[in-house]
Amino acid sequence: DAGITQSPRHKVTETGTPVTLRCHQTENHRYMYWYRQDPGHGLRLIHYSYGVKDTDKGEVSDGYSVSRSKTEDFLLTLESATSSQTSVYFCAISDSLSKTHNEQFFGPGTRLTVL
Amino acid sequence: AQSVTQPDIHITVSEGASLELRCNYSYGATPYLFWYVQSPGQGLQLLLKYFSGDTLVQGIKGFEAEFKRSQSSFNLRKPSVHWSDAAEYFCAVGPSGAGSYQLTFGKGTKLSVIP
Repeated sequence: DAGITQSPRHKVTETGTPVTLRCHQTENHRYMYWYRQDPGHGLRLIHYSYGVKDTDKGEVSDGYSVSRSKTEDFLLTLESATSSQTSVYFCAISDSLSKTHNEQFFGPGTRLTVL
Repeated sequence: AQSVTQPDIHITVSEGASLELRCNYSYGATPYLFWYVQSPGQGLQLLLKYFSGDTLVQGIKGFEAEFKRSQSSFNLRKPSVHWSDAAEYFCAVGPSGAGSYQLTFGKGTKLSVIP
């Protein structure tokens, strides 16, 4: 299995509270992604990174920010959590297209509940 | 824009029966195509992928998929389903051009297996 960990694995927070989720990889892969998974919606891309300090928005980026100061860590921040951000969050990584054809490896997920 | 449609939200089969999960994609050029499986409470695991060559690809756990360009389909098959195959299955499409690395996922098909 790819070396991807997510922390915390479960979190319950209150509306308006800031929340940071961490994704850590030991594969030295260039690309990292944050997805959210909701029933009936599959996985939707929030933000992604194509290198240290290089990030861009995905399909559902409103209300989220990210940072990547080291190759191995990709942080997802909810500046002021809302109930609509209750979801399961997955981190994924991939190497260059020439090596893996964009095969992505997924972490175990973080279940976030916003009350 | 690329998109993926999985027409079946939920499929139930008997153990030992054959299985076919449908996936249709929309993409302007030759895509990279993937099938992932997610067991309850787990992350996503890659079953198989297609990027070029033989249109019938073999994956793990006895699964195979066939790429049909004329039908824009990449259906997943298994000749004999086991109870442990009960999970949710996601089809994904990714661009094959240089500098592109985002995947678009379908909404998933949940497979139930009757003993």
